[in-house]
Amino acid sequence: ILNVEQSPQSLHVQEGDSTNFTCSFPSSNFYALHWYRWETAKSPEALFVMTLNGDEKKKGRISATLNTKEGYSYLYIKGSQPEDSATYLCAFDNAGNMLTFGGGTRLMVKP
Amino acid sequence: DAGVIQSPRHEVTEMGQEVTLRCKPISGHDYLFWYRQTMMRGLELLIYFNNNVPIDDSGMPEDRFSAKMPNASFSTLKIQPSEPRDSAVYFCASRPFMNTEAFFGQGTRLTVV
Repeated sequence: ILNVEQSPQSLHVQEGDSTNFTCSFPSSNFYALHWYRWETAKSPEALFVMTLNGDEKKKGRISATLNTKEGYSYLYIKGSQPEDSATYLCAFDNAGNMLTFGGGTRLMVKP
Repeated sequence: DAGVIQSPRHEVTEMGQEVTLRCKPISGHDYLFWYRQTMMRGLELLIYFNNNVPIDDSGMPEDRFSAKMPNASFSTLKIQPSEPRDSAVYFCASRPFMNTEAFFGQGTRLTVV
């Protein structure tokens, strides 16, 4: 069983606050690290797929960093908005092409 | 492409009955994944296929669960006999090749009473 951990499990922030959450994953057999956004009653949708150590990706107010040597990735949201409320999932993509998800961080942004 | 299509969207069945969940991946995608979502375990990988061949089924909970992919455009997940603890949302996802994002279907909500 591959251990993919996310923290915190849930987070409440005020509109306008910036926030970040963590994903830790095995540092061996690494191929890629994915971030997904999952809104209630919908399906997960990909934000980023990261493959290189030190990689940093950005989409609007959301960005992510990757450290494959120590096995962690951070997701940052700048100036949170109510529409950012969702569960954010990371997934570890290993040499066997399995895609193993963490438990997610549930973000709630209060107006 | 219409995306990954799962059917049915909702299934209510009695304990002991056979249940079959269906998935049509995006055309041209080589990989297909079946996940189960529960409150306790989040998104749990059950099995995945590469070019219609099952690669890893170590996540299948027990022998009551089986999955097939007879061709590139269709996969089934079967539970026989079903039990109340199988109640969950089952997601199918596909992706074109390794290291690419996965595209999820809308899920099938299974309730076993």
